[in-house]
Amino acid sequence: EDQVTQSPEALRLQEGESSSLNCSYTVSGLRGLFWYRQDPGKGPEFLFTLYSAGEEKEKERLKATLTKKESFLHITAPKPEDSATYLCAVQAVEYGNKLVFGAGTILRVKS
Amino acid sequence: NAGVTQTPKFRILKIGQSMTLQCTQDMNHNYMYWYRQDPGMGLKLIYYSVGAGITDKGEVPNGYNVSRSTTEDFPLRLELAAPSQTSVYFCASTLDRVDTEAFFGQGTRLTVV
Repeated sequence: EDQVTQSPEALRLQEGESSSLNCSYTVSGLRGLFWYRQDPGKGPEFLFTLYSAGEEKEKERLKATLTKKESFLHITAPKPEDSATYLCAVQAVEYGNKLVFGAGTILRVKS
Repeated sequence: NAGVTQTPKFRILKIGQSMTLQCTQDMNHNYMYWYRQDPGMGLKLIYYSVGAGITDKGEVPNGYNVSRSTTEDFPLRLELAAPSQTSVYFCASTLDRVDTEAFFGQGTRLTVV
């Protein structure tokens, strides 16, 4: 069973059309949930860390929220430059010194 | 600051050949990681290191070896390459804990034929 599941696998939006990406996890001892952005041919780039349920963080058009079982990455009025793959990763007590990544959501924003 | 630098960017290997993927960071980070990324799947941890002289296995260590003789360098060795090792490999580092911002290299795209 996947421990970190992201949905949808792919999302196409029109410029300005707000939406949300989901990351659900099944660990019990969460120590941190991470969002990364990955452009084609590049390494992941850090966006946010969330440590406890109820926490929210914002950066430009992106807002990340966390509950006990999932996180959402809300994208408000996206622009074409927001097109990328968004990766979620979880660090938990049961993982020791490891991060477990989801498969990612491929976001395409058309003008 | 260069951050995390990986070489080479691309490589084609024949089955049974060996090679070393190089990774160096200039941020004085203690923790370093090697991941592989396959299409439609999340990054999988191969090996990691919490400091010079200390390494440990991740989720998918078979067919790989690592060493960490300095804080800056964390090379990944592939012995007897197999088609299943065709992937994109990323090196990453964090300052002193795993649950903090990770900095990634640009990746090495490896094809084994």
